[in-house]
Amino acid sequence: AAGVIQSPRHLIKEKRETATLKCYPIPRHDTVYWYQQGPGQDPQFLISFYEKMQSDKGSIPDRFSAQQFSDYHSELNMSSLELGDSALYFCASSLVGMPSYNEQFFGPGTRLTVL
Amino acid sequence: AQSVTQLDSHVSVSEGTPVLLRCNYSSSYSPSLFWYVQHPNKGLQLLLKYTSAATLVKGINGFEAEFKKSETSFHLTKPSAHMSDAAEYFCVVSELDQAGTALIFGKGTTLSVSS
Repeated sequence: AAGVIQSPRHLIKEKRETATLKCYPIPRHDTVYWYQQGPGQDPQFLISFYEKMQSDKGSIPDRFSAQQFSDYHSELNMSSLELGDSALYFCASSLVGMPSYNEQFFGPGTRLTVL
Repeated sequence: AQSVTQLDSHVSVSEGTPVLLRCNYSSSYSPSLFWYVQHPNKGLQLLLKYTSAATLVKGINGFEAEFKKSETSFHLTKPSAHMSDAAEYFCVVSELDQAGTALIFGKGTTLSVSS
């Protein structure tokens, strides 16, 4: 079965650079979520989109922005990168109408390293 | 606001012995509860979920969990540990069953299995 696709899988950036992470949800899924997992930490919710509209917002820095496109894929844009942004970034997707809306299917993650 | 507390940061067992990973939750509503597993340098895999149906939930790889409302607990168990069970386990809560609602992760429990 198709899973959530994230690209790139690994990304190395310098401080103050920008980065764009992409997420392709499971086909027919209409909701996308972004989470950040720092080294040795639990995943922290950043932001979510349902039908291309922002649905919920967590601890996302103002330097970050995200959107969901008409084909339901999502992009997380990160500017003025800081060393503390080094983390594993997960995307998850779900489908309204499933028995449980909040069953989220996670992608493999993008590991961002800021030098 | 909802939260989860994983009572043990590290659990060590011998292969073939039972596994118990403890989780308590706090929620104003009827929560949905999940256990996810993360193997080293891997993504998050759903083990099992509770969404107000049967209180004893069976998951993959022989894991199960029991929802106890009176104790606000959702402990994860397995009768016999296998070496491949060594991983990080996250107890997760979601309070609102609507599109885009964030998952709230516990701090995680590292399970070590010795031969």
